[in-house]
Amino acid sequence: SQQGEEDPQALSIQEGENATMNCSYKTSINNLQWYRQNSGRGLVHLILIRSNEREKHSGRLRVTLDTSKKSSSLLITASRAADTASYFCATDASRKGAQKLVFGQGTRLTINP
Amino acid sequence: ETGVTQSPTHLIKTRGQQVTLRCSSQSGHNTVSWYQQALGQGPQFIFQYYREEENGRGNFPPRFSGLQFPNYSSELNVNALELDDSALYLCASRSLGGSYEQYFGPGTRLTVT
Repeated sequence: SQQGEEDPQALSIQEGENATMNCSYKTSINNLQWYRQNSGRGLVHLILIRSNEREKHSGRLRVTLDTSKKSSSLLITASRAADTASYFCATDASRKGAQKLVFGQGTRLTINP
Repeated sequence: ETGVTQSPTHLIKTRGQQVTLRCSSQSGHNTVSWYQQALGQGPQFIFQYYREEENGRGNFPPRFSGLQFPNYSSELNVNALELDDSALYLCASRSLGGSYEQYFGPGTRLTVT
C-alpha cells in the first residue's frame, strides 16, 4: 500500500516558472526522499531530508518537511524542459533490518517551452 | 547513470510461467532491494537482501523470491505468473551504513499475457 499521497497528480507549467509538489504521509519517519523518473524508467535520487530538518536546498531544488503535519513539499525553481518527469516522494520509517522506502503515487510534471 | 544495471530490458511471458530478472548492484553496495511499479503507480517494496539473506519483505506472496550472490548481483524470481504481475521491476542498491539514498537501475518491463 502507498503511504504517501502526492498533490497534484499532474502539473503543467511554462518554462521558467516554479513548480511546487506536495507529499503527505501517515507514520513517523526517519527521513523523506524525493526521486525523479523519466518515461517509466529508473528513479534518480534528488534530495533527502531527515526528520529533524525543516528545509534543505540543492541547486534549484528546495524541500521542506513538516513532521507535525506529516507533509513535505518540493519546489523546483526556474523550471526547464528537461525537468519534465514524474516526481515521487518516498518515506523511510525503518527501525532496523531492511530499509523499506514507501512511495507516493507521484506527480507528473510537464514543462512547456 | 547510477551504475546499477538490470536485464533484460523488456520481457513478455504467459500466465502461469516463471520468470527470472537480474540486477547488478553499484560497486561497493552490499544491499539490494526490489520494487514493483504498476503503470501509473509509485514503486512498491518487494524485499531486500543483505549479505545474501533476505532481511525484509513487503506485502508480496511467496511466489516472489530472490537471491543475492557474493558479488552483490541479485535475481528476482516470480513463479506462476499472473496478469497483475505485469509491471516495471526495479532494483536498487545501497551500502548499509552509508547514505540512505538508494541507487536504482533502469528497470525491467514485464508483460504477462
